[in-house]
Formats: sequence, C-alpha cells, structure tokens
Amino acid sequence: EAQVTQNPRYLITVTGKKLTVTCSQNMNHEYMSWYRQDPGLGLRQIYYSMNVEVTDKGDVPEGYKVSRKEKRNFPLILESPSPNQTSLYFCASSYRGISETQYFGPGTRLLVL
Amino acid sequence: RKEVEQDPGPFNVPEGATVAFNCTYSNSASQSFFWYRQDCRKEPKLLMSVYSSGNEDGRFTAQLNRASQYISLLIRDSKLSDSATYLCVVNSDRGSTLGRLYFGRGTQLTVWP
Repeated sequence: EAQVTQNPRYLITVTGKKLTVTCSQNMNHEYMSWYRQDPGLGLRQIYYSMNVEVTDKGDVPEGYKVSRKEKRNFPLILESPSPNQTSLYFCASSYRGISETQYFGPGTRLLVL
Repeated sequence: RKEVEQDPGPFNVPEGATVAFNCTYSNSASQSFFWYRQDCRKEPKLLMSVYSSGNEDGRFTAQLNRASQYISLLIRDSKLSDSATYLCVVNSDRGSTLGRLYFGRGTQLTVWP
C-alpha cells in the first residue's frame, strides 16, 4: 500500500531532551516536507527537501533540523525541544514537487513539558 | 500579510444546501492552487486542484481569478459527509521561495441533517 508513515504518533517529552520524528514514504517520491499545525495558525511549513541531500527552510525552521540521506526517509530532529514546539506535526511527500498532490502522513502529536 | 487568507467560518448548513468558500493569496507569482480537505485533526487530503479555466468534480467546483488573486470552492447538494475543514493551498515556485507551499488556516464546514 502506498503511504507515508510517521513515528511516533504520540510523544510526551521534557524541555531539552533531543528527539527525532521519523518519516518514510514508499512511493519513490522526490519531494518531502514537514509541517506543524497549531490552532488558529493552520499548517506551516518547517523544512522541505527537493531530493536526496537537498533541503531548504520553510516558514518556521527555527529549532528544527532535517536530513535527507535516502530518498524514502526524511526525519525531523528537535535538538533541544521547548514548550513552544508542542504541536501536531505532519510529514508529506509528492512525486516531484509542489505542483502535485501532497500525500500526508497520519501526524505526530508532540507535547513538550 | 499572510500568504493565504481564508474565512475560518464556521459554516453550518443543512443537507442539500449550496455553500461557497473563498480564499485570497498574496503572491502574484504563485503557479499552482489546490483545495485540501481535513477531517478533525487527521491528515489533509487533496480534494481538487484549481485550474485557470475553472474545474468541476461532481458536486465540487473550483474557480481561480488570477487578476484578483482569488480562489473559490463551491459545494452543491451538501452531504453530512462533507463536514470537514477545507484548506486553500498555494505554491510559490520562483526565486527564494522555490519549493514552498502555503496553507490557509482552513474553513470549517458542518452539514446538519
């Protein structure tokens, strides 16, 4: 089944404890991206990747890192999480870019205490 | 000014009603336009792309007005299952913002029996 998977789906952590949210797609998509969704603010793009080893900042990259070492994986890293990073996170992918259908993962709910 | 502005609603309509959502975007260089649907805190899913000539998919009609930088979605004969949040999405694929997608905050629709 073609899909985007994210892990973990739910995470409670404490300020400053490094964490990684994984994202994987099995559709051979080139474009992958991360979003956060907060009430009243909608979805905001954190980082995106046009292909392996090609990443760039979105609108809200502060406090996040990404890497794209393989085409299928695009992990989101929070080196030192803070409470203002409590949010619902979505990973998405598309075949070649932003002019095409974005396929979203199921989301990761993160609470930083 | 936000890249994409939507009326957040909520819109509460009876089954069978026709409802219209509007969206404005600020970047005249935007090339691709979409409507996504998001059920309560689940991942967004593509509803339809929006083409310059306007397009229809069953009960759904999307229109684009480039001169006014305005996108609309019309839902005819509303069903209970149409209850969701509708997200207006615009890309920016030129210059320094290459690869970015911008989401509106969403318009909430509730269809009641």
